Formats: sequence, structure tokens, C-alpha cells
Amino acid sequence: DAGVTQSPTHLIKTRGQQVTLRCSPKSGHDTVSWYQQALGQGPQFIFQYYEEEERQRGNFPDRFSGHQFPNYSSELNVNALLLGDSALYLCASSLGSGGDDFGPGTRLTVL
Amino acid sequence: AQSVTQLDSQVPVFEEAPVELRCNYSSSVSVYLFWYVQYPNQGLQLLLKYLSGSTLVKGINGFEAEFNKSQTSFHLRKPSVHISDTAEYFCAVRGISNFGNEKLTFGTGTRLTIIP
Repeated sequence: DAGVTQSPTHLIKTRGQQVTLRCSPKSGHDTVSWYQQALGQGPQFIFQYYEEEERQRGNFPDRFSGHQFPNYSSELNVNALLLGDSALYLCASSLGSGGDDFGPGTRLTVL
Repeated sequence: AQSVTQLDSQVPVFEEAPVELRCNYSSSVSVYLFWYVQYPNQGLQLLLKYLSGSTLVKGINGFEAEFNKSQTSFHLRKPSVHISDTAEYFCAVRGISNFGNEKLTFGTGTRLTIIP
């Protein structure tokens, strides 16, 4: 039973570019959340998708957008990349009120 | 809104000694509480969770935590640590609502280093 998977593992972009990160939730999970983890910090909530709609959003600018597909997989898009967007991006999936299952993350470096 | 405070950013402990990692939270609503572990260059792994019932919860790898509502704390403990416990530990809180899973709010983490 595969857990949460994310792609790519690592990514290097330059300022101003756009990036798309992908996530497949754990089998049976219907809710996907995205978190940004800067170096030495705890994860910060970006947004959550349920039934293909954004249900909650954290304090992130509109440059951060997402999508959820009918098979529950999800994408995170970041436009006009800034140096400060360099971080580990974590995808988490859940079903019900228990703890979320996290993927291994995508390490984004913006030069 | 919720917030989480992890009082110790780094905790060095000798191998086979006990350890306690402290976590305090604040919230205007009832909460669920979690501890996650993060090994280098990896994602987060759930150690244990408190949803309801007994305030003492046991998790994986011999860890346990106690929910104290009056002190708004959820400290993590292990009676005897091993080298393999070296990692970053995150406390997280989730507000309880009628609208499905609320977001997780994390603390800044505690780096546990086991000294041989």
C-alpha cells in the first residue's frame, strides 16, 4: 500500500520562473494539504483541497495556487518565484480527523 | 486560531537516558494534538496522537505523551533513548470543527541529539 508520493524530489529554478509540484495521496484518502517548511522551521500551512475545491488557505500570497483532480491527486503551483520561496514543500493526505500522512517532500531551490 | 510553542530548540541526551520534549499550545477551541518526527532529508512521520479518551497516549518507537488540558501541554517522553532517535521532533495541533479536517499548526521543532 503506497503512502503519499511527491514529485519531483528536487527542483532548481531561477527568480521569476513558475513551478508545479505534484502529490498523490495515500490510497483511500480524500483530503490533500500542502505545507512549506523553510530551513530550520516547522511546516507552515499553505492550503487544503477536498472534493476538488480549496477548502482552507493559510497566509500565502495568490502566487501560490493549487488543484485537486478527481483521483484526489493534487498540484501546487507557484508563480513569479522569489528567493524566499526556497523550501521543502510537503504534501499531506488524510481521511477523517486522525493524523495526516506526509510525503517525503520536494526540495525547491530558487536561485 | 491555534499556536504551538516548543520550549527547547535543541536537546542533547546520553544514550539510554530518559528524555522529555516539551510542547505547549493555545487555542480558543478544543483541539487534537500530534507529535511528528522528521529524520534528515525526509518527510514527517506520525509518532502519536491525542484525539480523545485517556490523556496518556502511546506511540511508535517507545514514545508516549500526556495531554494536560489545564496546563495546555502535550509533552513527549521516552524512558530510554537510542542513537536512532536522533531527529527533529514537531508538536502540532488541530482545532476541532464541524467542517472536516482543520489545518495542522506546528511548533518550530526540537532537535534531539543522542550522545553515545
